[in-house]
Amino acid sequence: QSVLTQPPSVSAATGQRVTITCSGNRFNVGNYYVSWYQRLPGEAPKLVIYEDDKRPSGIPDRFSGSRSGTSATLDITGLQSGDEADYYCGTCDRSLDGRFVFGPGTKVTVL
Amino acid sequence: EVQLVQSGAEVKKPGESLKISCQGSGYSFTNSWIAWVRQMPGQGLEWMGAVYPGDSDAKYTPSFQRQVTFSVDKSINTAYLRWSSLKASDTATYYCARHRDFKAFMRGHYLFYDMDVWGRGTTVTVS
Repeated sequence: QSVLTQPPSVSAATGQRVTITCSGNRFNVGNYYVSWYQRLPGEAPKLVIYEDDKRPSGIPDRFSGSRSGTSATLDITGLQSGDEADYYCGTCDRSLDGRFVFGPGTKVTVL
Repeated sequence: EVQLVQSGAEVKKPGESLKISCQGSGYSFTNSWIAWVRQMPGQGLEWMGAVYPGDSDAKYTPSFQRQVTFSVDKSINTAYLRWSSLKASDTATYYCARHRDFKAFMRGHYLFYDMDVWGRGTTVTVS
């Protein structure tokens, strides 16, 4: 059971927008940077957002992130079929001696 | 190119030992923590812990403490994940990943931030 929560699934049509929320508490999301990972079927996870809202090189600006209070969000606009994947949030947790924790993951389906 | 290259898939029997590897290249291997992440079939990602190649300091999530061992060979830029006695429940894909950043908040205690480089994963089947 993760200390972070995410919706199990979200869906939208091609070209539309999805928002995934990651909720935690003051020991994790409330005080520390959140990162987001995309896991395409059969591939290794890929970092798509770090430090709440920064994109690594090569990640399109259709992906954006934010954090407020004890929640963080990942937005994907202009949804494409290639975005269909599992998305995980993650951060460190001070109550777990700084260990990294992942959210349970959200399946994004492109209709 | 910065990359982590993992060893190939393994099929083992319960009770056997196993060590899988993760070799880094294209960056200063000793300066970044290497995390191990488990993904069981149909399940999510689990951070097992991390090892610092500079001094072999290792941090384990409690559920993996005493179940696995992290080690490093700095001379060949390689991190290892070892089991002394495998169980069927160890069947999973194991990823290594580089922590892009970390911060010490007390002597010997660290906050682990995002992971920016990932290996392709090693599938371990115990049956």
